[in-house]
Amino acid sequence: QKEVEQDPGPLSVPEGAIVSLNCTYSNSAFQYFMWYRQYSRKGPELLMYTYSSGNKEDGRFTAQVDKSSKYISLFIRDSQPSDSATYLCAMSESGGSNYKLTFGKGTLLTVNP
Amino acid sequence: SAVISQKPSRDICQRGTSLTIQCQVDSQVTMMFWYRQQPGQSLTLIATANQGSEATYESGFVIDKFPISRPNLTFSTLTVSNMSPEDSSIYLCSVGAGDYEQYFGPGTRLTVT
Repeated sequence: QKEVEQDPGPLSVPEGAIVSLNCTYSNSAFQYFMWYRQYSRKGPELLMYTYSSGNKEDGRFTAQVDKSSKYISLFIRDSQPSDSATYLCAMSESGGSNYKLTFGKGTLLTVNP
Repeated sequence: SAVISQKPSRDICQRGTSLTIQCQVDSQVTMMFWYRQQPGQSLTLIATANQGSEATYESGFVIDKFPISRPNLTFSTLTVSNMSPEDSSIYLCSVGAGDYEQYFGPGTRLTVT
């Protein structure tokens, strides 16, 4: 079993739709959870960062973490064509910026105008 | 924040040869990370490079195959040695900056024929 499982999609939605992206994990030591967005031929960029269980909202994006179920989600409201990208979940046992990240495979999202 | 550049952006190499990838950061950072992103696979950490010390390799990656240099706080190289088609991948470097964010370079797209 891989440490982090993420449905690779692809996922195609119409503009304005609510998008739900999910990851499950097996390592109970993960405490820090991130979502990165990667546009084609670019490096990943951090979208959301959360610690432990709970919700975090930033504009149209909401990240949820349920440590009891080892399940994290990213919701995108009012999706836009500019949201078309690959979304990667990532996790770390330790906080800060200098620790190993374990990634899911990424979900390719296309938002159609 | 940190701005990262990588050279080359892409290359096509013959099997049995070696390629050195450069990573340059616009600010001094303690640790630099090298990742591999194979088609359909998770972004996977190869090694962590700390200035002034030997790189730390993840399970499945060895120094003879992926030697790393870290001569100063803004620069690192990753060499992919004795390449085979299985080494075809995108190689990315990242750095930790700020409280929790890792910044990624644009990647080097390697094809081995």
